Amino acid sequence: DIQMTQSPSSLSASVGDRVTITCRASQTIISYLNWYQQKPGKAPKLLIFGASNLQSGVPSRFSGSGSGTDFTLTISSLQPEDFATYYCQQSNRTPLTFGPGTTVDIK
Amino acid sequence: QVQLQESGPGLVKPSETLSLTCTVSGGSVNTDTYYWNWIRQTPGKGLEWIGYVYYSGSTKYNPSLKSRVTISLDTSTNQFSLSLTSVTAADTAVYFCARDGGGGHGSGSFYYWGQGALVTVSS
Repeated sequence: DIQMTQSPSSLSASVGDRVTITCRASQTIISYLNWYQQKPGKAPKLLIFGASNLQSGVPSRFSGSGSGTDFTLTISSLQPEDFATYYCQQSNRTPLTFGPGTTVDIK
Repeated sequence: QVQLQESGPGLVKPSETLSLTCTVSGGSVNTDTYYWNWIRQTPGKGLEWIGYVYYSGSTKYNPSLKSRVTISLDTSTNQFSLSLTSVTAADTAVYFCARDGGGGHGSGSFYYWGQGALVTVSS
């Protein structure tokens, strides 16, 4: 299985901050990397697919980059509605696997 | 707009079979474009992909659950289902159904999700 790791596991930030979350795969996944946002009691929501493609309807303050094994999700200016947990997920090989998540909370 | 909704018992006894159904609206499961998935979430193991079914009935499962899982499709009711046998407390989770994004980089990414169904395994 492809193992996914994320760092940090949690972070505290303020509205307006630039936030960066890193995801690493245990082997190359080319650019088959997706990012999700999850709020308590809700299903995950797809933000980015294919490492850098913004899902329709997702604000442009979210962006993704990377290829191979190392990927980044950036929120350019954190908004109140962005406080949530973020997961990466690889779709290069089955079994499809997720990272453990990064929780973004209010400083 | 595609919508998915899980349904099924919220409590299952150990050693019995967990059965959930996902009802799809706003789109047909009988399409060669998408894969229909089950995913579960626990506090301990996080998000775990269980498997998918394709419109043809072909399936792919997570090897960690493969011996106990069956996912099937019913085009007449526009639903797909999950069956997990011989459950234990470790199978207690929120179970989500989800549709992927189609071809290219959309394949294997989860575009649409159900709201999730909490299933507790307990006697």
